[in-house]
Parts: sequence; C-alpha cells; structure tokens
Amino acid sequence: GNSVTQMEGPVTLSEEAFLTINCTYTATGYPSLFWYVQYPGEGLQLLLKATKADDKGSNKGFEATYRKETTSFHLEKGSVQVSDSAVYFCALVVSIGGTSYGKLTFGQGTILTVHP
Amino acid sequence: GAGVSQSPRYKVAKRGQDVALRCDPISGHVSLFWYQQALGQGPEFLTYFQNEAQLDKSGLPSDRFFAERPEGSVSTLKIQRTQQEDSAVYLCASSLGQMQYNEQFFGPGTRLTVL
Repeated sequence: GNSVTQMEGPVTLSEEAFLTINCTYTATGYPSLFWYVQYPGEGLQLLLKATKADDKGSNKGFEATYRKETTSFHLEKGSVQVSDSAVYFCALVVSIGGTSYGKLTFGQGTILTVHP
Repeated sequence: GAGVSQSPRYKVAKRGQDVALRCDPISGHVSLFWYQQALGQGPEFLTYFQNEAQLDKSGLPSDRFFAERPEGSVSTLKIQRTQQEDSAVYLCASSLGQMQYNEQFFGPGTRLTVL
C-alpha cells in the first residue's frame, strides 16, 4: 500500500535557524508529493507540491525536492520565523493507470515551534 | 471568495446517538473528499465524490458511516450509533478538477467528541 513517514517531532528552533523536516514514502504507483501546513486555529493549506521526479516545489521560502531514488521529499527552509510555527504534513497522491482523482495519503505531522 | 465551510464546528454526542456533519465546498468544485483526523495523527481518507457520484468509499471504517452529495454540491457525512472511537476531527476538502495534482482546499473541520 501507500504510506508516508515523517520525522518524529516536535521540532523547536530559534528564529533564523535552518529547518529540515524529513519525509519518506512508499507508493504502489507513481506519486505526486505535497506538503500541507496547519497554522494554529486554521485549516490545512497546501504549502508546496512536486509532481515528478527531481521537481522542486517552493513557496514562502520553503523548498522540497522530489527524490525518487531515495523515495524522499524533505522540507527545508533557510531561516525560520516565529510565524512559521505550525503543524506540517507530508502527503502523496498516487496515479494508477494514468488516472487518479487526488486521494491523499498523509504522514503523521510534525509540530514546529519557533522561538524569538 | 468563500472557502470550504463545515458545520457544526464542534459536536458532542452521547454514545449511540446519530450525528450529521455538513460540508459546503467551494462553488463549482467537482471533487469532494472526507477525511478523519485522530488526535496527533495525519488525516485519513474516508470517501470521495465526483459531483454527485460517490466513486470511492473504501476508507469508511464501518457501515455506521454514510456520506452523500445528492446535488453535487453540499455533502453530509452521517455516523449512526456513534462509538467512542469515532471521536476525531472530520475534514472536508474540495478541488476544482479530478486530477491528482489539483489542489485540495480544506475546511476547518468538525471536532466530534463521543462520550
């Protein structure tokens, strides 16, 4: 089956520190990969995505590269801010036979807290 | 424009009661998903609609769970004879198209607590 594994959290950093949240996956088909973010009191929002191997998704200073050889999609940011404090979810969608409707498989989430 | 809305935001039910959770997707969105999120976990897929057709209900945990989208817009997730293990946040998401890379827009969720 399909699954996503995220590094165990929570992660606590000081402002301007470098962030890495690891994500690895297993998939029966060819996946598209996503990072979603949930800010306190808000719903899940798409942060970035990559739909094929070696693609790099980026948004708001965050980046993640789709690595097929290591089945990974690690999230990075060079300098975090207090406002980045949130829960981050790695997720995938698998295309089977060239079609898929977008059923997401999520990791367990990583809580990030950034202190001033 | 308006995003995905869900109601109620919070629901407390006694074990054995029936509950109905409502989702209003973004207008014009073809695809609608329901997910269940247990405390401290990622969301898990329950069911999928393409317009009014329920194309995948493989994630529904038991026959006590039922979902519908009769006119291809608003959707209702119904849970009969609620049990304590049903306590979770129920998320609804919609997307414009039906391809895997279409962005899903999530509602704020309904937190269900079964006593």
